[in-house]
Amino acid sequence: DAGITQSPRHKVTETGTPVTLRCHQTENHRYMYWYRQDPGHGLRLIHYSYGVKDTDKGEVSDGYSVSRSKTEDFLLTLESATSSQTSVYFCAISEGQGNYEQYFGPGTRLTVT
Amino acid sequence: AQSVTQLGSHVSVSEGALVLLRCNYSSSVPPYLFWYVQYPNQGLQLLLKYTSAATLVKGINGFEAEFKKSETSFHLTKPSAHMRDAAEYFCAVSEIGRTGGYNKLIFGAGTRLAVHP
Repeated sequence: DAGITQSPRHKVTETGTPVTLRCHQTENHRYMYWYRQDPGHGLRLIHYSYGVKDTDKGEVSDGYSVSRSKTEDFLLTLESATSSQTSVYFCAISEGQGNYEQYFGPGTRLTVT
Repeated sequence: AQSVTQLGSHVSVSEGALVLLRCNYSSSVPPYLFWYVQYPNQGLQLLLKYTSAATLVKGINGFEAEFKKSETSFHLTKPSAHMRDAAEYFCAVSEIGRTGGYNKLIFGAGTRLAVHP
């Protein structure tokens, strides 16, 4: 299995609070991604990174920010959590682009009350 | 923009029966296509991928998929279902990002496969 960990694995938080999710990889892959998974929507890309300090928005980036100060860590921050951000969040990594496989972490289940 | 449609959010088969999960894509360029599987409370795992080398792609656990350009399809099949195949299956297409050259995956909504004894 690819060396990807996510923390925390479960979190319950209140509306309006900031939340940071962490993705850590031991594979030294260049590309890292944050997705959210919701029933009926599959996985939707929030933000991705193509190198240290290089990030770009995905299709559902509103209300989220990311940072990547080291190759191995990619942080996702919910600036002010809302109930619509209740979801399962997956981190993924990839060695390259195009036909390269993405490897997924175990996920973080976030509930915003 | 590219998109993926999976026909049927739920599919139910008997153990030993043929599994057929449908995926259609839209893309203006030759695509890279993937099938991933997700078991309960786990992340996604790659089953197989199409990279233009061959139209019939074999994957893990006895699954295969055939790329049909004329039908813009990439359906997933397995000749004989097993109880352990019960999971959710996602088709995905690789898209170039806004700034060019990045491996972004566009996922279908998923198909949940149930296997009955």
